[in-house]
Amino acid sequence: AQSVTQPDIHITVSEGASLELRCNYSYGATPYLFWYVQSPGQGLQLLLKYFSGDTLVQGIKGFEAEFKRSQSSFNLRKPSVHWSDAAEYFCAVGAIGNAGGTSYGKLTFGQGTILTVHP
Amino acid sequence: DGGITQSPKYLFRKEGQNVTLSCEQNLNHDAMYWYRQDPGQGLRLIYYSQIVNDFQKGDIAEGYSVSREKKESFPLTVTSAQKNPTAFYLCASSIVGEINTEAFFGQGTRLTVV
Repeated sequence: AQSVTQPDIHITVSEGASLELRCNYSYGATPYLFWYVQSPGQGLQLLLKYFSGDTLVQGIKGFEAEFKRSQSSFNLRKPSVHWSDAAEYFCAVGAIGNAGGTSYGKLTFGQGTILTVHP
Repeated sequence: DGGITQSPKYLFRKEGQNVTLSCEQNLNHDAMYWYRQDPGQGLRLIYYSQIVNDFQKGDIAEGYSVSREKKESFPLTVTSAQKNPTAFYLCASSIVGEINTEAFFGQGTRLTVV
């Protein structure tokens, strides 16, 4: 069975500092990987996704992530954090759906990392 | 604007009552999903549907039921058999079969059972 681990429950950084959120996955085939962000009481917004090809993926809001197959990791990075980045971040791995189709919403999520940004 | 609408945003129910959460999408997506979110546990898949009149159990389907009579709608019923129903519920939808796409999420419904 697939699984996702986000080792850091809570991270605090100062505004302007760099950020790296860790994500490790377990999946038997080539994974489809996603990072989502959630503000309190809101739904999830996609930051970026990896399906194949270039292992360094660029997303919205200045975020990027690097897929490392040898380490089973998909860490999220941002060179300079803004106060508005404070939120909860989720890493997720996708699965092939049944009936031959691929459902890109059938996801296994990590536990989430809460990001606090100090001024 | 295209999107996913969940209603209501907040829902309160007495223990032992069934309650139905609404999810509607106008993205013309074939697949729809229900997730449950609890603090520190991420999101867990309850049910999903890839086509009208068909749905499959996810990881935590016990105590829940769904229907998919229309492509646009995927309501979730939290039954009295669900032992701990208080949670944040998220609905999502996606295309089926195309590569390089993703799931889109609604704004969620917070259910509190007292």
